[in-house]
Amino acid sequence: QQQVKQSPQSLIVQKGGISIINCAYENTAFDYFPWYQQFPGKGPALLIAIRPDVSEKKEGRFTISFNKSAKQFSLHIMDSQPGDSATYFCAASQVGGSEKLVFGKGTKLTVNP
Amino acid sequence: EAEVAQSPRYKITEKSQAVAFWCDPISGHATLYWYRQILGQGPELLVQFQDESVVDDSQLPKDRFSAERLKGVDSTLKIQPAELGDSAMYLCASSLGQVNTEAFFGQGTRLTVV
Repeated sequence: QQQVKQSPQSLIVQKGGISIINCAYENTAFDYFPWYQQFPGKGPALLIAIRPDVSEKKEGRFTISFNKSAKQFSLHIMDSQPGDSATYFCAASQVGGSEKLVFGKGTKLTVNP
Repeated sequence: EAEVAQSPRYKITEKSQAVAFWCDPISGHATLYWYRQILGQGPELLVQFQDESVVDDSQLPKDRFSAERLKGVDSTLKIQPAELGDSAMYLCASSLGQVNTEAFFGQGTRLTVV
């Protein structure tokens, strides 16, 4: 049973455009939702994370939108740059519970110059 | 900048051989995770340690995989015997734990079983 569903599987955006990646979760006990960025041959790097007590969090060009009732959250990358080309993973965990991260299957983002 | 160290970066081994991976977490991080990432998919947890104790190994194939974190610092993941289906990236991550779940990943070990 896949606990975190991520879409789309791949995304192509022009430089300067907005990239949007969506995730949906099933376990209502999840209360920590990070996004990771992974370049080929590297480990995932934490990009931005949100707790369910807020509906939006912004850090630079990256914004997480969170909808608790719909059990959905999304990553928005504004003014996308070729250097943003990577695979992005959403994840979820339960703080104070097992704390293990459950990952989505990933979205390969390509930003064309 | 503190980081999670893993070695080796790459490993090629023949099936039925034994292979081991090493991880040194960020200093002071009580929680250590081993994840397996198959090409094109998200990481999946194999085992989670809190200090030297195993917290979750429900997805660890215990007939061939073992993991230890004897002194609650660095950790070793072993596969014996390796199978072709074990080819993947093995990622180690650590976090402070105790409700701080921000996890930092190492570069990973790319295992190829031939």
